[in-house]
Amino acid sequence: DGGITQSPKYLFRKEGQNVTLSCEQNLNHDAMYWYRQDPGQGLRLIYYSQIVNDFQKGDIAEGYSVSREKKESFPLTVTSAQKNPTAFYLCASKPGQALGTEAFFGQGTRLTVV
Amino acid sequence: AQSVAQPEDQVNVAEGNPLTVKCTYSVSGNPYLFWYVQYPNRGLQFLLKYITGDNLVKGSYGFEAEFNKSQTSFHLKKPSALVSDSALYFCAVRWLSGGYNKLIFGAGTRLAVHP
Repeated sequence: DGGITQSPKYLFRKEGQNVTLSCEQNLNHDAMYWYRQDPGQGLRLIYYSQIVNDFQKGDIAEGYSVSREKKESFPLTVTSAQKNPTAFYLCASKPGQALGTEAFFGQGTRLTVV
Repeated sequence: AQSVAQPEDQVNVAEGNPLTVKCTYSVSGNPYLFWYVQYPNRGLQFLLKYITGDNLVKGSYGFEAEFNKSQTSFHLKKPSALVSDSALYFCAVRWLSGGYNKLIFGAGTRLAVHP
């Protein structure tokens, strides 16, 4: 099956810990995105990558880091510098640079600070 | 600044009645507009998009949307609502910024269809 896989589905983090959220796609898509979803705020863009070894900050990149060493993978690390990390995180991908192509989303990871 | 707004937090409609979920946008240049639906604790599913051409676009599950350039709107519609349509709906707009392809979302509208 082709698609985007996010893991884990649920993640618990202690204060001061770094955690990494996995996002893997086998759709051969060039572009990948990370969004954070909070109640009543919709989706906010954290980081995006249009090609391997290149990524750009989104609107709320502080406290997060990413890498794009392989086309299929775009992991997101939530660092201890992110003061309010509890949220639902969504990864997406889309083919190529064309503006008219739709993005495909993973099923999300719910991160909770304990 | 580029933006997309969904003015209603929630829309309530009776099953069998028509529904409308509103979306307005602010984008310089030609807009590329999308609607997505989200069920609880799930990712977003693509419903439909407007790129160019006919202002009325048809999508999945009987949904359609009307692009209105003068009102900068892209409202989602369905002639007859189903209880199973109850979900969170997001409008999104894409544009080119500094050579990069950005996609931003509205805050979402919760649709509740009552039997």
